[in-house]
Amino acid sequence: GAGVSQSPRYKVAKRGQDVALRCDPISGHVSLFWYQQALGQGPEFLTYFQNEAQLDKSGLPSDRFFAERPEGSVSTLKIQRTQQEDSAVYLCASSLRDRGQLSEQFFGPGTRLTVL
Amino acid sequence: QQQVKQSPQSLIVQKGGISIINCAYENTAFDYFPWYQQFPGKGPALLIAIRPDVSEKKEGRFTISFNKSAKQFSLHIMDSQPGDSATYFCAAYIYNFNKFYFGSGTKLNVKP
Repeated sequence: GAGVSQSPRYKVAKRGQDVALRCDPISGHVSLFWYQQALGQGPEFLTYFQNEAQLDKSGLPSDRFFAERPEGSVSTLKIQRTQQEDSAVYLCASSLRDRGQLSEQFFGPGTRLTVL
Repeated sequence: QQQVKQSPQSLIVQKGGISIINCAYENTAFDYFPWYQQFPGKGPALLIAIRPDVSEKKEGRFTISFNKSAKQFSLHIMDSQPGDSATYFCAAYIYNFNKFYFGSGTKLNVKP
């Protein structure tokens, strides 16, 4: 079976443009996470879904960031009016189980966003 | 405020040597401590993990040492190989929130 996939792998946007980043988790995985990874840094939590429910969005840096997972599988992270400080790698991860039940988190390859 | 502090930022080791990476945390609510390995252009991949009721876990050449009282844990890579050259992240997890906190990473370079 395929792992977590993300598209596009690279995205260049002009400042002020809106972007949409897609994540296809492993089939059947309940939990889905989005992280932001700045250059030379560790992943920083953005938001978490349990199926289609967004249970934690405390890491979203501003109201320009929006994530959805309408059918409990594919997820989209949208960034409106992009700024240069949004430049980073955006990682998606999924895991089989829900909170309180630890299971391995599988990461996608990430989308590298560059805002000019 | 960074929940997990990792050091060193970079590390150069000769082939066959021991690589040691350290992490520290403050929040006693953490109840699982994984290490991830990341190669350029790839997402992090789980390498080894430990629960806080265990002081050491070994898997092949990789060992985690955990000191609960000091709130510190470390990754030891024995007989380091050039193929181990990657960035390593420690992390801490809270079950009830299903949330991971990552260290800032250590870039390991194993010289042939």
